[in-house]
Amino acid sequence: AQSVAQPEDQVNVAEGNPLTVKCTYSVSGNPYLFWYVQYPNRGLQFLLKYITGDNLVKGSYGFEAEFNKSQTSFHLKKPSALVSDSALYFCAVRDQTSGGYQKVTFGTGTKLQVIP
Amino acid sequence: SQTIHQWPATLVQPVGSPLSLECTVEGTSNPNLYWYRQAAGRGLQLLFYSVGIGQISSEVPQNLSASRPQDRQFILSSKKLLLSDSGFYLCAWTGRGYEQYFGPGTRLTVT
Repeated sequence: AQSVAQPEDQVNVAEGNPLTVKCTYSVSGNPYLFWYVQYPNRGLQFLLKYITGDNLVKGSYGFEAEFNKSQTSFHLKKPSALVSDSALYFCAVRDQTSGGYQKVTFGTGTKLQVIP
Repeated sequence: SQTIHQWPATLVQPVGSPLSLECTVEGTSNPNLYWYRQAAGRGLQLLFYSVGIGQISSEVPQNLSASRPQDRQFILSSKKLLLSDSGFYLCAWTGRGYEQYFGPGTRLTVT
């Protein structure tokens, strides 16, 4: 069974400071990893993904994430936070060894609050 | 480009009433489609997924059902709503790179 954990319910960061939102995962094979962002009363928006290759993945709105296989982590990062980054962030994992049906497991979400 | 639509955006229904939520996708063919429910603005619960017309798989037993009458149409239904059915319902499809694209959601309040 696959799982993903977002250990922080909420992260507070001052505007202009770097931010990190943590994610760890568990899969039986190699993972596909994803980050999504959700603004209030909106659907989730895809930010970035790791499939294979370079461990540092760059995505939308200046976000990036680092895949660390030994630590089974995929933390989301941004060098300088904006107030507009305040939202709910979800990490998700899919086992590459899955069959035709692409089951994705989502974390419980981390609320990011950027303080002006 | 691909887009995904959901309607209605909000819905208030009494307990015991029927439900029909619709999702349509444009700009792609034979997508994998999903229905999720999000309670209390947090975790996503996968309700149903579909890999093709008429092919529906249920992840969680409940009083909800889903149908896929056309390639790019996915419908979530209930014959009798429960209070516990309240939540934010999201439809999604899977892109070629395995990421999911979500619709704007339907806020359902059962009173």
